Amino acid sequence: DTAVSQTPKYLVTQMGNDKSIKCEQNLGHDTMYWYKQDSKKFLKIMFSYNNKELIINETVPNRFSPKSPDKAHLNLHINSLELGDSAVYFCASSQEIVGGHTEAFFGQGTRLTVV
Amino acid sequence: AQSVTQPDIHITVSEGASLELRCNYSYGATPYLFWYVQSPGQGLQLLLKYFSGDTLVQGIKGFEAEFKRSQSSFNLRKPSVHWSDAAEYFCAVGARGGSEKLVFGKGTKLTVNP
Repeated sequence: DTAVSQTPKYLVTQMGNDKSIKCEQNLGHDTMYWYKQDSKKFLKIMFSYNNKELIINETVPNRFSPKSPDKAHLNLHINSLELGDSAVYFCASSQEIVGGHTEAFFGQGTRLTVV
Repeated sequence: AQSVTQPDIHITVSEGASLELRCNYSYGATPYLFWYVQSPGQGLQLLLKYFSGDTLVQGIKGFEAEFKRSQSSFNLRKPSVHWSDAAEYFCAVGARGGSEKLVFGKGTKLTVNP
């Protein structure tokens, strides 16, 4: 039973298209994230949501719009895709505890290729 | 804001040899510290974490890490490497009582020779 699952695993699309990536966690966590891993494997946070509320937005272009219908789901919609959006996108979740958060649990990633 | 440095981009070891991957962090207080491993085409798996208490932390797959406050380091070690340990390793730091985000180092790629 996968803890953090995201779909699709691979996504190939043309420039200018709009696409969505879905993420679900069954860990009961209250915080979810989107991270982007570039071609050099560098991981950087994009967004975090706590109980469906946006907490972190790390200067991501407004073509990227996260949506959290409930605390178990965090989807990422990308408008007008550009070549530079090609990357692996990871969803993650964690639980708020006294003094911070637990470790983050990651999904398997979605490899987005824009052609 | 916290930051992480992994000085070694790529390390090659022979199977059965010992391993140490370096991680240095910058943070104004004692942070939360993590090591994650990423096999090719896979997500990130947590190897171990430091929150408080004993500064020598044991993780999965025979890995351990030691938090050294004086050196702002959290180096990962394994006494005997197996071929299946070949992967990318990421050190990450989280803030206490602050932002939820993890800040990752740039990763160290481990190659294991037979």
